[in-house]
Amino acid sequence: SQQGEEDPQALSIQEGENATMNCSYKTSINNLQWYRQNSGRGLVHLILIRSNEREKHSGRLRVTLDTSKKSSSLLITASRAADTASYFCATANSGGGADGLTFGKGTHLIIQP
Amino acid sequence: DAGVIQSPRHEVTEMGQEVTLRCKPISGHNSLFWYRQTMMRGLELLIYFNNNVPIDDSGMPEDRFSAKMPNASFSTLKIQPSEPRDSAVYFCASSPPLPGGPGNEQFFGPGTRLTVL
Repeated sequence: SQQGEEDPQALSIQEGENATMNCSYKTSINNLQWYRQNSGRGLVHLILIRSNEREKHSGRLRVTLDTSKKSSSLLITASRAADTASYFCATANSGGGADGLTFGKGTHLIIQP
Repeated sequence: DAGVIQSPRHEVTEMGQEVTLRCKPISGHNSLFWYRQTMMRGLELLIYFNNNVPIDDSGMPEDRFSAKMPNASFSTLKIQPSEPRDSAVYFCASSPPLPGGPGNEQFFGPGTRLTVL
């Protein structure tokens, strides 16, 4: 089963509004990452937050991490039509030195003009 | 840098045929990953290599799937024989050496859309 589970599966908002997506996971992690995928394209890395961090910002993106609840959220402020895409969280599990990430099934975000 | 390069971008083949997908990772990256994406199952990790050595192939669905990385700049994913249920988008991704701890940022190629009739 997927380590990361995004919520909601789909989200439609008006341009200019804020969009919040959530991710839950099951095991201990080294870091958690968010990726964006535009239709027909590969995934693009957005932001990485380590297990000892609680919040991180990058431009209009804000990511929080709560390791006690095994959850993360991605906030996109002042959304734009170009933000329309699918957003995935991915976890890097701690221990073992493995490089692989485990991806959730994504949240499909639609920004309506 | 051109990013991760995958070929072909689209492949349509008939059931039973051999399919070979190709990937050129970003120069200097030492980890390479093959993923498969479908609507039903999402993004699945098939196999990954570190320094050209296969580390984890537990995601490879069947013996019909095989992957190689003969050198640091080239990898192939082969399906033989192909079946309709193999239809999906196959992504290759690479990541640079880890600064410390597992799970570095991954850089994805544009994918190969495979259709098996």
